[in-house]
Amino acid sequence: AQRVTQPEKLLSVFKGAPVELKCNYSYSGSPELFWYVQYSRQRLQLLLRHISRESIKGFTADLNKGETSFHLKKPFAQEEDSAMYYCALSGGNQFYFGTGTSLTVIP
Amino acid sequence: GAGVSQSPSNKVTEKGKDVELRCDPISGHTALYWYRQSLGQGLEFLIYFQGNSAPDKSGLPSDRFSAERTGGSVSTLTIQRTQQEDSAVYLCASSLEGTSGRIGTDTQYFGPGTRLTVL
Repeated sequence: AQRVTQPEKLLSVFKGAPVELKCNYSYSGSPELFWYVQYSRQRLQLLLRHISRESIKGFTADLNKGETSFHLKKPFAQEEDSAMYYCALSGGNQFYFGTGTSLTVIP
Repeated sequence: GAGVSQSPSNKVTEKGKDVELRCDPISGHTALYWYRQSLGQGLEFLIYFQGNSAPDKSGLPSDRFSAERTGGSVSTLTIQRTQQEDSAVYLCASSLEGTSGRIGTDTQYFGPGTRLTVL
């Protein structure tokens, strides 16, 4: 069963516009969710985790258990936000990544 | 300090041959993960080590895949009798593993990957 779904493979927004990258999950227990990011020619790295309730590089993500979602948001996109974003879930003895969303911020 | 390293960076092999991929985690990291990223796919979890033991091997795609970790450090992923569908980027990550008891709750630090091409 697909644990993490990212419905958008590609997303383009203009610089300064709000951006939302969607993530839905399915998990029977209490989920722990993460966003990982891969910038061009760099390694995959952690952006943020829901349990920390943190804002990193202006991004936030709220866990909505009713909608089983963990969407990533930023009010004003910057060119340096262009990257591949992966939503991920910790479950049991496995770790699940979504298929990723490629974000392009247009200058 | 040094990050996670993987070798080789690229491997081209013929169908039917065995390959061995290596991962050197960050020193002191007790947890180690292997993932596979096929073209157009997300990261597929393969296996996780806590120390030298892997509690769940069900993520390995077939019995041609095996992994081991010795000395709580270096890990090797072996693919026997490679098939064309094994072509992918194989990523390794390591983390300190906290006391939560859940996999991946500590930050995973990824290596650069090994690109495997099976002809």
